[in-house]
Amino acid sequence: EPEVTQTPSHQVTQMGQEVILRCVPISNHLYFYWYRQILGQKVEFLVSFYNNEISEKSEIFDDQFSVERPDGSNFTLKIRSTKLEDSAMYFCASSWGREGSYEQYFGPGTRLTVT
Amino acid sequence: AQTVTQSQPEMSVQEAETVTLSCTYDTSESDYYLFWYKQPPSRQMILVIRQEAYKQQNATENRFSVNFQKAAKSFSLKISDSQLGDAAMYFCAYRSALTRDDKIIFGKGTRLHILP
Repeated sequence: EPEVTQTPSHQVTQMGQEVILRCVPISNHLYFYWYRQILGQKVEFLVSFYNNEISEKSEIFDDQFSVERPDGSNFTLKIRSTKLEDSAMYFCASSWGREGSYEQYFGPGTRLTVT
Repeated sequence: AQTVTQSQPEMSVQEAETVTLSCTYDTSESDYYLFWYKQPPSRQMILVIRQEAYKQQNATENRFSVNFQKAAKSFSLKISDSQLGDAAMYFCAYRSALTRDDKIIFGKGTRLHILP
């Protein structure tokens, strides 16, 4: 069964550095998402992406974050200048359609540690 | 804003027994979807069951069933004949039926332990 994959599984970076988290969505999916979960807190929506544009973003998704689909397979989340509070598990998801009836399939996550 | 609350951080159940995980939510919308996701250790979240708010009938998927009480804004998950493979973190989640609203709103999760 097709799966969403994410790399790396764990990323350690120093405060102020740029990081890029990578995701390979399911191949025929059209909608892409990033969520994050700070340790002990809820999984929170960051951004959705369709047709090479951001469809929706949360308040968390400020100017230090960006997303890109650089080729036909990868979907990336870039954090320009990491802060300690960016330490979290980041989940990528994809779906075929946008409505709630279409399941969002999640990747295993990338644990980002900012020191 | 919509919220989802899971009041049980952890639960344990004996193998083959039945367990119910609780979830409440708050919304002013009338049309929405509710979900239960399962996240095994070090694995991705997978959808266990989905309920459309406009449907009165409770959703079922094999050993998994929900008790959806729309007026009370309650959405519990019942797992029958618990198996060792059911051990995981379970997230209750909400999504608006509005097409322009992409986000899923999650609860904090309930960690379920299965005792052999």
